[in-house]
Amino acid sequence: NAGVTQTPKFQVLKTGQSMTLQCAQDMNHNSMYWYRQDPGMGLRLIYYSASEGTTDKGEVPNGYNVSRLNKREFSLRLESAAPSQTSVYFCASSEALRQGATNEKLFFGSGTQLSVL
Amino acid sequence: GNSVTQMEGPVTLSEEAFLTINCTYTATGYPSLFWYVQYPGEGLQLLLKATKADDKGSNKGFEATYRKETTSFHLEKGSVQVSDSAVYFCALTTYSSASKIIFGSGTRLSIRP
Repeated sequence: NAGVTQTPKFQVLKTGQSMTLQCAQDMNHNSMYWYRQDPGMGLRLIYYSASEGTTDKGEVPNGYNVSRLNKREFSLRLESAAPSQTSVYFCASSEALRQGATNEKLFFGSGTQLSVL
Repeated sequence: GNSVTQMEGPVTLSEEAFLTINCTYTATGYPSLFWYVQYPGEGLQLLLKATKADDKGSNKGFEATYRKETTSFHLEKGSVQVSDSAVYFCALTTYSSASKIIFGSGTRLSIRP
């Protein structure tokens, strides 16, 4: 069972470079999310996609773009990387979160550690 | 707005000690509450959850009770093990037009043999 797969696991960029973080899930989930994890700040939501064809901003969307390519894949793009974007990035997926659902939880990938010099 | 506040770490305990990690929340409506755990080098995974007031979530010896009157969801375990060393995140779900999960800042727990 692959679950949520993120690539790459590690990446070093120079300021101003661009890159795309890939995420794919094989659980037929409707919703997908991108979080960043920084020391002392927990996980902060960057963007999410409640269903195929829709994307919405989270708490910290500036400097990022996303694409929900199909139901399985949700990519995160840094157009011009900055040192402030050094972080660990997690992709997650879930069934549509709704009150009363018994299977309401996020499934996480193993993360991408990104350093911007 | 909606938010989660949890006790700052790190928390260091000896094996078999009693554990409490405090979590309080601010939310409109009736959120569901969660504890997620992150082991070294891994993504987060759900530990337990509670969906309404006075519900108790439990898993792997951990428990947390949804207290609406004190807006709290404290995590407890009676006897911790070295294998419980991890980062613990309290979280809530906002049921809006596009539901999402909001996390606290995390509490790092280290257990000494």
